[in-house]
Amino acid sequence: GQNIDQPTEMTATEGAIVQINCTYQTSGFNGLFWYQQHAGEAPTFLSYNVLDGLEEKGRFSSFLSRSKGYSYLLLKELQMKDSASYLCAVRDRVRGSTLGRLYFGRGTQLTVWP
Amino acid sequence: DAGVTQSPTHLIKTRGQQVTLRCSPKSGHDTVSWYQQALGQGPQFIFQYYEEEERQRGNFPDRFSGHQFPNYSSELNVNALLLGDSALYLCASSLSGLSRGYTFGSGTRLTVV
Repeated sequence: GQNIDQPTEMTATEGAIVQINCTYQTSGFNGLFWYQQHAGEAPTFLSYNVLDGLEEKGRFSSFLSRSKGYSYLLLKELQMKDSASYLCAVRDRVRGSTLGRLYFGRGTQLTVWP
Repeated sequence: DAGVTQSPTHLIKTRGQQVTLRCSPKSGHDTVSWYQQALGQGPQFIFQYYEEEERQRGNFPDRFSGHQFPNYSSELNVNALLLGDSALYLCASSLSGLSRGYTFGSGTRLTVV
């Protein structure tokens, strides 16, 4: 089975830095994704890690440690528009298939205050 | 280039009824996955279609079924609706193979009363 854990809520102020952690227990790991989801909208892709280390993309960075089953999403220079739910998702891989499926955590609701 | 299109955007049904939700994938994508997202929860995998066949299935009862058409579009059908089926239903398309490119639609908000 899959078990993905992330904090339910976080708050921060504009211009600050926030780190959202995600721990997972899974079989057949084949990549970890972070998505941003505003209320009532589609999840939008932020980052993807399949090897250990840090991936940087503008104000967003994501880190993965496969041995520890741990990832974090780092958001810098926070803006009001960053208030949203952040979803951590792990992809498995079914033996004999090139198709994977995503298992999501329940999401971290980030509120950015002025 | 259009992304993933889902219809309808909102739907209200009565317990026991049946519903069909539709999804058109992003141009160039051939795989469609369906997810159920209850309020305050992360999306839960329902099933995945590729080459017009169901390839993987999550922990959902047989009341949930689907179909993929030759143009890669897909339908999700839910029979004998329960109050607990009320949720946002998301469709995600991708290109077969373990790519990073999963594109989600805005979803269909289903309310069962």
